[in-house]
Amino acid sequence: QKEVEQNSGPLSVPEGAIASLNCTYSDRGSQSFFWYRQYSGKSPELIMFIYSNGDKEDGRFTAQLNKASQYVSLLIRDSQPSDSATYLCAVRENQGGKLIFGQGTELSVKP
Amino acid sequence: DAGITQSPRHKVTETGTPVTLRCHQTENHRYMYWYRQDPGHGLRLIHYSYGVKDTDKGEVSDGYSVSRSKTEDFLLTLESATSSQTSVYFCAIRGPRLDYGYTFGSGTRLTVV
Repeated sequence: QKEVEQNSGPLSVPEGAIASLNCTYSDRGSQSFFWYRQYSGKSPELIMFIYSNGDKEDGRFTAQLNKASQYVSLLIRDSQPSDSATYLCAVRENQGGKLIFGQGTELSVKP
Repeated sequence: DAGITQSPRHKVTETGTPVTLRCHQTENHRYMYWYRQDPGHGLRLIHYSYGVKDTDKGEVSDGYSVSRSKTEDFLLTLESATSSQTSVYFCAIRGPRLDYGYTFGSGTRLTVV
C-alpha cells in the first residue's frame, strides 16, 4: 500500500511568519510531487509541483524535495490570514501515474 | 472550475436508492477521476478513466460503478446508496503530461439518509 503521510495539524502561525508543511511518501520510485491548497468548502487547487531534488520557488511559496529521504515540504513565507486552508501533498505513483494524496495539514494564520 | 463541472452540487437521497453524479469537461482530456473526501481520510480514489469506455477501479470502489461513453462525460453511480457513502465527491481531470497535476471540479456534497 503506497502511502503519503502528513501531520494533520492544525498548524498555527502568526501573520508574517514562515509556515512549514511536511510530507513523507513510501513509493521510492515516485518522480512528481504536488501541493494543493483547499479552502473550507472548496475544491483543491494546485499551487506547486516539483520533480527535481532541491528547492523550487514561486512567489511566497517554496517547495523542497529530498528523494533520498522520501520527503517533500512546502514553505510559505510572510504568511497571511488568507493562507489559512488545508494543504494537501500528492505524489504521483511510479506505476500507473495516479496521484496519491496525504490527509492534508490544516494551517491557521493568526493576525 | 474552468473546464470541469460537476452536477448536482448537493443531493440528499434515501438509503437503498441509486444515485448518479455527473462530471463534464470541456478540455478534451483523456484522464478523468472520481474521488471522495471524508474527514480523517483525505482524498480517496474511487474509479478512474483513461479513455472512452476505458475505466478502472481505485482503492474504494465497492458500491460504485462508472461509465464514460463520451470524452467529456464521466458518470459515477452509487448502485444502492448507504449512509457510509455520505461524503463530498470530487471529479478531476489531468492533461497529457505526467508532470501535470489534476484540476478538480467544485464537488458534490451527497447525504444519504
